[in-house]
Amino acid sequence: EVQLVESGGGLVQPGGSLRLSCAASRFTFSTYAMAWVRQAPGRGLEWVSTIGGSGIDTYYADSVKGRFTISRDNSKDTLYLHMISLRAEDTAVFYCAKHDGSGSYVNYWGLGTLVTVSS
Amino acid sequence: QLVLTQSPSASASLGASVKLTCTLSSGHSSNAIAWHQQQPEKGPRYLMKLNSDGTYSKGDGIPDRFSASSSGAERYLTISSLQSEDEADYYCQAWGTGIQVFGGGTKLTVL
Repeated sequence: EVQLVESGGGLVQPGGSLRLSCAASRFTFSTYAMAWVRQAPGRGLEWVSTIGGSGIDTYYADSVKGRFTISRDNSKDTLYLHMISLRAEDTAVFYCAKHDGSGSYVNYWGLGTLVTVSS
Repeated sequence: QLVLTQSPSASASLGASVKLTCTLSSGHSSNAIAWHQQQPEKGPRYLMKLNSDGTYSKGDGIPDRFSASSSGAERYLTISSLQSEDEADYYCQAWGTGIQVFGGGTKLTVL
């Protein structure tokens, strides 16, 4: 079955930066669009960003546009999220997610990595 | 603007059935959606994709107790023969060009 394992979360000060990684396995990584979805404590799911299979097409939620950059290395089956200018409101569990074959809905989720932005 | 509306909470008794609703915003009544389940302290799990015509396709290992239907702008998730492990948050998801949207989620309590 598809496996998605996030890493790179942790405590960071406001204004700081962090890079999340997601190691994918058990599917042809380069064929599928991938996404990051976050969940603030006690809140619902919020889409953050999606990247197409080739890495050329990228999309962002307005709340992170200009601060977050999604990328992928298809030779390593790994998805990334580079975050800068972090704010307290970015505190959340960040989930790596695989889109379906048409790049529409999410059909697999990782277990998540916690990012805490606090001084 | 694509918006999904869900009731914050629902409850039903063990062994009973429950129907959860996700409502698409005006102008988007033909959109398909996806349903996801999030059990307490766990990551989300994809349940199924639901089309506007009521046809649906489930993810791997999703029990037959989970089904779905559509009517106009409403998308439904029905869980029958409720079990304790069905107590969870349920989210609907829709998509457009370059955008993904989640509903606010419904917290299901199994009594």
